Amino acid sequence: EPEVTQTPSHQVTQMGQEVILRCVPISNHLYFYWYRQILGQKVEFLVSFYNNEISEKSEIFDDQFSVERPDGSNFTLKIRSTKLEDSAMYFCASMTSGETQYFGPGTRLLVL
Amino acid sequence: KNEVEQSPQNLTAQEGEFITINCSYSVGISALHWLQQHPGGGIVSLFMLSSGKKKHGRLIATINIQEKHSSLHITASHPRDSAVYICAVQKTSYDKVIFGPGTSLSVIP
Repeated sequence: EPEVTQTPSHQVTQMGQEVILRCVPISNHLYFYWYRQILGQKVEFLVSFYNNEISEKSEIFDDQFSVERPDGSNFTLKIRSTKLEDSAMYFCASMTSGETQYFGPGTRLLVL
Repeated sequence: KNEVEQSPQNLTAQEGEFITINCSYSVGISALHWLQQHPGGGIVSLFMLSSGKKKHGRLIATINIQEKHSSLHITASHPRDSAVYICAVQKTSYDKVIFGPGTSLSVIP
């Protein structure tokens, strides 16, 4: 069965450093999403992406965040200058029209 | 106010028990999801519902659109069912998923 993959599975970084989280969505999917889950809290929406542009973003998704689909397969989330409060599990998801969203296994980011 | 609520927050059951987790939501939706999250963190989609009832193995999910309520039932529970079960909704077919707080289930042998 096709699946969404994410790399790395874990990342530790210093505050102020840039990180790029990578996702490979399911190949025929058109809608892409990033979510995050701070430890002990519920999953929160960050951004959705369709037709090579952001379709919606949350209040969390400020100027420090950006997304890109640099080629036909990868979907990346960049955090320009990480803060301690960016420590969380980041999930990528993808979907084709009207179907369920498929979630990746997540990247656990720890900012020190 | 949270758009998706779940009860109970935590649940401990003996192996073999019938389990029910409830979800209520306050917005119009196109679909409701039940998801499972294991301690490692990964999220697995169990069901996507827009009406009625779905069954997969020992899992049954129901939804009442008029009452804005859904339930997830687990029959003959087993310790491997221990996980966090999350109810989530989509307002439209292409929309983001809005997550509930999750119900932490522990099934004791």
